[in-house]
Parts: sequence; structure tokens; C-alpha cells
Amino acid sequence: QQQVKQSPQSLIVQKGGIPIINCAYENTAFDYFPWYQQFPGKGPALLIAIRPDVSEKKEGRFTISFNKSAKQFSLHIMDSQPGDSATYFCAASFGNYGQNFVFGPGTRLSVLP
Amino acid sequence: GAGVSQSPSNKVTEKGKDVELRCDPISGHTALYWYRQSLGQGLEFLIYFQGNSAPDKSGLPSDRFSAERTGGSVSTLTIQRTQQEDSAVYLCASNSPDLTDTQYFGPGTRLTVL
Repeated sequence: QQQVKQSPQSLIVQKGGIPIINCAYENTAFDYFPWYQQFPGKGPALLIAIRPDVSEKKEGRFTISFNKSAKQFSLHIMDSQPGDSATYFCAASFGNYGQNFVFGPGTRLSVLP
Repeated sequence: GAGVSQSPSNKVTEKGKDVELRCDPISGHTALYWYRQSLGQGLEFLIYFQGNSAPDKSGLPSDRFSAERTGGSVSTLTIQRTQQEDSAVYLCASNSPDLTDTQYFGPGTRLTVL
């Protein structure tokens, strides 16, 4: 119930491509769905987040699509750049307490020049 | 401070030794998390502190692991009698749940147990 599943595990795209990373959850109590970006040797940093009252949120080249009925959400990166190469984690939480904040296993994205 | 800081950035120790990892959260943040990230893996929740409440220790993998948070600010994660499987990056995050759900992460401490 507390798991967040994430796919694919790794992804390689050409510059300008649109990588899509998918996540799924079971616990309908989750009400906050952030995506974190992590570069090698650094801690994760918040990229974009969404709440279940909207189906899509866009910030720059990054878009979250949210399907409440399917309990799925995804990250799209438009016009991807080599600098976007990083590991991306989806997460879900409610109440923001302890184990109620759950991370997916991560997707390693490589954007080729 | 400007962000979450952790020290040391790297720690190499011998099997059986004790280690202490330190986290300085963002000033004013009431909540503090510790996570463990093994090579190429996701984030494993370890422990959570919120204000003066009893910490949520449900993620600690064994009794060799303990953590404390003094004065509601700095936190120390202690691993006793380290084992090779403890080798990982230990990440600390902080936030104020009443203001934001966003967790702000430190750069991590890379622990290597020989």
C-alpha cells in the first residue's frame, strides 16, 4: 500500500527527445506527488510537484500528467538536453510524516548529444 | 543556513568501528529525515524527527543504527559496529510541514566500510 512503482529503470534518448517516466501508487490517501532530480554526488532536489486536484502541471520543459482514477502519474521532459541527464525519483505522500513520504526506486536518464 | 549541510562528505571506516554522521537542517525547519541510498538504488527511509514529538524510527534496519536530534536542530546518525553492507550514501532532508511538503536534501555522506 505504501509502495510507489516507477518505470523504466533507465532511459536513453537523443537530444530533443521527450523522455517519459511513469509512476503508480496504491494508497488513495496520498495527496502530494513530487518529482526529484538527482545529479551524481548531489542530494535530490525538487523538480516539480502536483496535487490530485489537477490533471497536469507544467513548469518550463517539465510536465507532470496525473491520472487519479488510474492512480498513475508521469513526468515528461520536452526538448531534452544533455544537462537533463540525471536520476529522477517520483514520490508520494500524505500528512508529510515519516513513512508517509514514499519514494520510487528512480529512473536513470541519459540524454545523448 | 542557506541549505541542508552534512558532514563529513566522505567517510571510510573499518568493519566493526562506530561512525557518526551529522546533519545541519535549514534554520527553522521542524522536520528532519534520514535516508540511505545504496549504489544505483532509491531512497530508503531510516528515521524522522518532527518538533518535540517522539521520532519515527520504523525505518532503522537494526539496533546498530540510532539517531538523535539536539535542540530541535542538528541531528546525528550513529552506526555502531559497522558492517560492509552499511556502505551507502546517507542523505538528510528537512522541511516545515506546516509550510511546505517539499523536502530539502543535503549533499549526503558517502560511507565506505572496508
